[in-house]
Amino acid sequence: GENVEQHPSTLSVQEGDSAVIKCTYSDSASNYFPWYKQELGKRPQLIIDIRSNVGEKKDQRIAVTLNKTAKHFSLHITETQPEDSAVYFCAASLNDYKLSFGAGTTVTVRA
Amino acid sequence: DVKVTQSSRYLVKRTGEKVFLECVQDMDHENMFWYRQDPGLGLRLIYFSYDVKMKEKGDIPEGYSVSREKKERFSLILESASTNQTSMYLCASSFKVARGYTFGSGTRLTVV
Repeated sequence: GENVEQHPSTLSVQEGDSAVIKCTYSDSASNYFPWYKQELGKRPQLIIDIRSNVGEKKDQRIAVTLNKTAKHFSLHITETQPEDSAVYFCAASLNDYKLSFGAGTTVTVRA
Repeated sequence: DVKVTQSSRYLVKRTGEKVFLECVQDMDHENMFWYRQDPGLGLRLIYFSYDVKMKEKGDIPEGYSVSREKKERFSLILESASTNQTSMYLCASSFKVARGYTFGSGTRLTVV
């Protein structure tokens, strides 16, 4: 099955700085890459996703990039704010209904 | 807005007990999933179902079974609870992955 690795496991940034989380996947046939945000005590929620036929996607302060050749994708958060503090999970899908998740990155935004 | 409801937020059970975790979704999603979440291990797939009465093993099915008798309900069963099954259990549903999952709020199960 698909194996997704996520780095770093923890990330501390100063408010206003950028944060970058990187994930690699094992199966070149994977074609869908979502990112989830889980605030403390809450359920994971989809924040952005990208398909394999797209190299980059942006939504306000967050963006995702995909490098199919290298089999890695990244989440970029610009101008970080305290409400960006959360655990972020990347995921990859080989087919259209099952996701394999990374281990998660705990992001802390320092005021 | 899609709602995925898990029957219990917190649960404490004794070793050896049979445990039922219930999940209900209200958006006619075909796919339903059970994950467990442990620190440093992320979300690991236990079982999933892509249709009524259909089920497939995920990455860590040992010690668990599932039931999907109706489209909106997906139950996770711990046949004989053990302490290593203490975890956060998350249910999710989707039409297709391309639209992402919707997760339930989770059930924190403690087996003593």
